[in-house]
Amino acid sequence: NAGVMQNPRHLVRRRGQEARLRCSPMKGHSHVYWYRQLPEEGLKFMVYLQKENIIDESGMPKERFSAEFPKEGPSILRIQQVVRGDSAAYFCASSISHGDTQYFGPGTRLTVL
Amino acid sequence: AQSVSQHNHHVILSEAASLELGCNYSYGGTVNLFWYVQYPGQHLQLLLKYFSGDPLVKGIKGFEAEFIKSKFSFNLRKPSVQWSDTAEYFCAVNEGTSYDKVIFGPGTSLSVIP
Repeated sequence: NAGVMQNPRHLVRRRGQEARLRCSPMKGHSHVYWYRQLPEEGLKFMVYLQKENIIDESGMPKERFSAEFPKEGPSILRIQQVVRGDSAAYFCASSISHGDTQYFGPGTRLTVL
Repeated sequence: AQSVSQHNHHVILSEAASLELGCNYSYGGTVNLFWYVQYPGQHLQLLLKYFSGDPLVKGIKGFEAEFIKSKFSFNLRKPSVQWSDTAEYFCAVNEGTSYDKVIFGPGTSLSVIP
């Protein structure tokens, strides 16, 4: 039973470019969560999605960041016009139902040059 | 706002020493509590969790944690650590009204010296 998959594992972008991070939840999980871990800090919640719906995006920056979880395919976290401050590890988690244990993927380490 | 604090930023122990990592949270209502571990170069893994019932929770690899509601604490313990326990440990909580987001503590880095 494969765990949560994230790709790419490492992503390098220049300032102003777009970053797309993908997350495939565990089999049977329809709830996806995105977290960001800045250097020397713990994980911070960004957004919670179910299939085709954004349930809670209270942790998402208002500009440049967006997330989706389409009916088919992985969840995508998209960062437009990246800046150096976006450099971080982005973790995706999934759960089988609302409020159940969240299982984490390996993360995508984004470096903005 | 709900928050999670961890008492130590970095802990260094010799093998076979006992471990206790402190964790306190700020929410006063119903909570679910977790300890996650991140081994070097690996992703977050669930060590143990508390949803309800016996406040003494046993997890994988010999870890346990005790939920003390009156102290808003969920400390992690292991009687005898091994070199392979070297990792970052995160305490986390999600609260009863939404259960949407998990709030993480800043983490405690544990280094075990052989």
